[in-house]
Amino acid sequence: EVQLVESGGDLVQPGGSLRLSCAASGFTFSRYWLTWVRQAPGKGLEWVANIKEDGSRREYLDSVKGRFTISRDNAKELIFLQMNSLRVEDTAVYYCARDVDRVGFDYWGQGTLVTVSS
Amino acid sequence: ELVLTQSPGTLSLSPGERATLSCRASQSISSLYLAWYQQKPGQAPRLLVYGASSRATGIPDRFSGSGSGTDFTLTISRLEPEDFAVYYCQRYGDSKTFGQGTKLEIK
Repeated sequence: EVQLVESGGDLVQPGGSLRLSCAASGFTFSRYWLTWVRQAPGKGLEWVANIKEDGSRREYLDSVKGRFTISRDNAKELIFLQMNSLRVEDTAVYYCARDVDRVGFDYWGQGTLVTVSS
Repeated sequence: ELVLTQSPGTLSLSPGERATLSCRASQSISSLYLAWYQQKPGQAPRLLVYGASSRATGIPDRFSGSGSGTDFTLTISRLEPEDFAVYYCQRYGDSKTFGQGTKLEIK
């Protein structure tokens, strides 16, 4: 059974940093792109970043470029989202998902809440 | 920049009725890269349809997708109580834009 479990969400002040993790199981981790999607309270879905199978390619939403970094550890079947210079508008539930070409995001975690507030 | 506009914003129907949800793209997109998701309160989204018309694993056949170019549709043939949720279309691939969602509520 494919499982994705996010962790690391917390309350942080504007300008602060946070690192999210997503632990994967039930599939051959190193063969898939993985992605982060966020959802602000009461709002829609917004793709944030994704990373290629071997980590050699990463893509970002324009508004997080230079502040967020996605990475992965294929040996431990983990992906990460390092978030720096956090803003109030980054407040959201952050989901990790498996990203399959010509299919979309076929498996999702349950999400982790990031709150940026003073 | 690609924009996906979903309509209506809210759809009020009764169980057993047919639901038709629309997703319009601001520019033509390949149907290979159009997906639909369902999200219930407090839950993660679930992939329903990919490639505009292919059902994802385990999705009942009352869900069907269609369309091409700039106009795409998700149809639920006979609504079950568990189908009332928010639905999102998405263009994935080079860009991963989501529509703003359609809330399907019980009338």
